[in-house]
Parts: sequence; C-alpha cells; structure tokens
Amino acid sequence: GESVGLHLPTLSVQEGDNSIINCAYSNSASDYFIWYKQESGKGPQFIIDIRSNMDKRQGQRVTVLLNKTVKHLSLQIAATQPGDSAVYFCAENGYSGGSNYKLTFGKGTLLTVNP
Amino acid sequence: DADVTQTPRNRITKTGKRIMLECSQTKGHDRMYWYRQDPGLGLRLIYYSFDVKDINKGEISDGYSVSRQAQAKFSLSLESAIPNQTALYFCATSDERGVTDTQYFGPGTRLTVL
Repeated sequence: GESVGLHLPTLSVQEGDNSIINCAYSNSASDYFIWYKQESGKGPQFIIDIRSNMDKRQGQRVTVLLNKTVKHLSLQIAATQPGDSAVYFCAENGYSGGSNYKLTFGKGTLLTVNP
Repeated sequence: DADVTQTPRNRITKTGKRIMLECSQTKGHDRMYWYRQDPGLGLRLIYYSFDVKDINKGEISDGYSVSRQAQAKFSLSLESAIPNQTALYFCATSDERGVTDTQYFGPGTRLTVL
C-alpha cells in the first residue's frame, strides 16, 4: 500500500544550527507535498509545500527538497531557534479518484532545540 | 488558527455516552475534514466533506458519524463512546484546488473516554 514515513522519530539540535528533517514516500504518482509544524497543544500549521515538477523550494528560513528518484523529501531549517521545537509532519497529496486527491500524513518527527 | 475553531477544546466522558465535537470556519472553504491523532500513529482521516451535500468516509469511520450543517460548520459525533476513542481530534478545511489542496487545521479537541 501507499505510505508516507519518516526516517527519524526525534531530532535534537543546538540553537543556531541547521536542522534537516527527512521523509520517505512510496506513491510515485503523488504530485504535491506539504510540511506541517505542530506545536504542543496546537493543530498542525502549514509551513511550506512543493509540487512534483520542482526539486527545491525556499521559504523564510525553511527549504524543502524533493528527490523523486529515491522518493525522498526533506525540510531544512536554517539557524534553528527554540521556537522551532515542535513535531514536523510531511504529507503527500495523492490521487484518489475522479478529480479528488487524498492527503496522507507521515507519523511525525519531534524536533528539540537546545539553548 | 482562529480561522478554524473547535469546541469543546477538552472533554472527559464515560463509556456509552453520546458526544458531539463541533467545527466552524471563517475561511470560506468548501472542503472540511475530521482527523484523529494518536501517539505514534499520526493523523488518520475519519470523515470528509467536499461541500454541504457531500459526505465521505475516511479510513477509520467506524463508530463515528458527521453532519455538515452549513458550509462553515462540520460536526463529528460519537454515538456511543468507547475508551479506544480517546484521542486528539482535529478539524481541517481546504479550498477546491485539486492537486494543491492544502489543509488548514483547527486547534484540536482532546477527548478522554473513561
């Protein structure tokens, strides 16, 4: 079956370092990928997205890389700050019939930023 | 996100009770979703609705029902709550954009069934 998973369940970094969170996906037909951030006690918050016709997209301090050859997605956070501590989810939007797409979430990576 | 609100935020109930979780949105989106989040299992889709007259089951709909009262309101009911329905419940909304269907989440409801 289709799945979206993460290589590491936890990641601990020092404040100011760069963070890299990885995600593997198995549906080669997925066209769209999203990273969400979930802080404690809150709902997932959209961070950045990327279409399958791109291999890199940059936002403010965040970059998403897509490698379709190995079906791998990563989120890079530059100069990680304590406020970046959260669980990060990748999600893929795969075709589910008709004109509809279904969002499938990975299980999440807990990022802890040490001062 | 204040654009998507959920009530109640926390609820403790007993086995066998009927529970309703409510979701409202001011984003003007047609699509609404209910998810359940359990530790180690990520987000799992319970039900979704692409417009007021459209209701679809997700991957774990057993034991749940929904009602789309209006474009802005989507409620989730547990007809007879059981302890393994203890979880975090999230409502989400999205525009009808086909492949780039980004979902926006509410703050969640923590439900405990004793």
